[in-house]
Amino acid sequence: NAGVTQTPKFRILKIGQSMTLQCTQDMNHNYMYWYRQDPGMGLKLIYYSVGAGITDKGEVPNGYNVSRSTTEDFPLRLELAAPSQTSVYFCASSSGTFREQFFGPGTRLTVL
Amino acid sequence: KNQVEQSPQSLIILEGKNCTLQCNYTVSPFSNLRWYKQDTGRGPVSLTIMTFSENTKSNGRYTATLDADTKQSSLHITASQLSDSASYICVVSDMYSGGGADGLTFGKGTHLIIQP
Repeated sequence: NAGVTQTPKFRILKIGQSMTLQCTQDMNHNYMYWYRQDPGMGLKLIYYSVGAGITDKGEVPNGYNVSRSTTEDFPLRLELAAPSQTSVYFCASSSGTFREQFFGPGTRLTVL
Repeated sequence: KNQVEQSPQSLIILEGKNCTLQCNYTVSPFSNLRWYKQDTGRGPVSLTIMTFSENTKSNGRYTATLDADTKQSSLHITASQLSDSASYICVVSDMYSGGGADGLTFGKGTHLIIQP
């Protein structure tokens, strides 16, 4: 049981490039989330999903896209990367009555 | 607007000492409150989840308290260890979402440093 896995762990992008951050969970959780965390700041919700085929915007969705074709996978797409997207990105999943969240190890992204 | 305020912003204590972290919230209607520990460079890990009816919950050397009337929670760490150095995040869920993403309000965290 690996929990929530994220790839890559680190990535450097040039302005205008695109990339996909991968997230997979093996706990059969319905809910999945993408957060970003800037240095010294709290977590901000980008997108979330309540199940396969269903996604919704969070607090800071601009510049990102998501899809949820399976229960296990929830990739985050960055189009036309900008320096403001330099951050650490965390994927999480949850289920159960109180929907305790389980977080992945994070992807550290730098846009230069 | 729902808000979660944590204090202090940062704290430095000596190994073996106790400390208490605070969380005040204005989330309504309240469903549950969670404390997470985030080690540097890692994702947050759940320490406790408390519902409206729970006043105290322990997880080893960590004890969380909840006063739903004053909308305050605290996380007490006993006999601190070097491995307790981390950020501690308070997250409050409103009743409608039951914990869904649109009902979670995150605090900015308390950065705790344990010195030998």
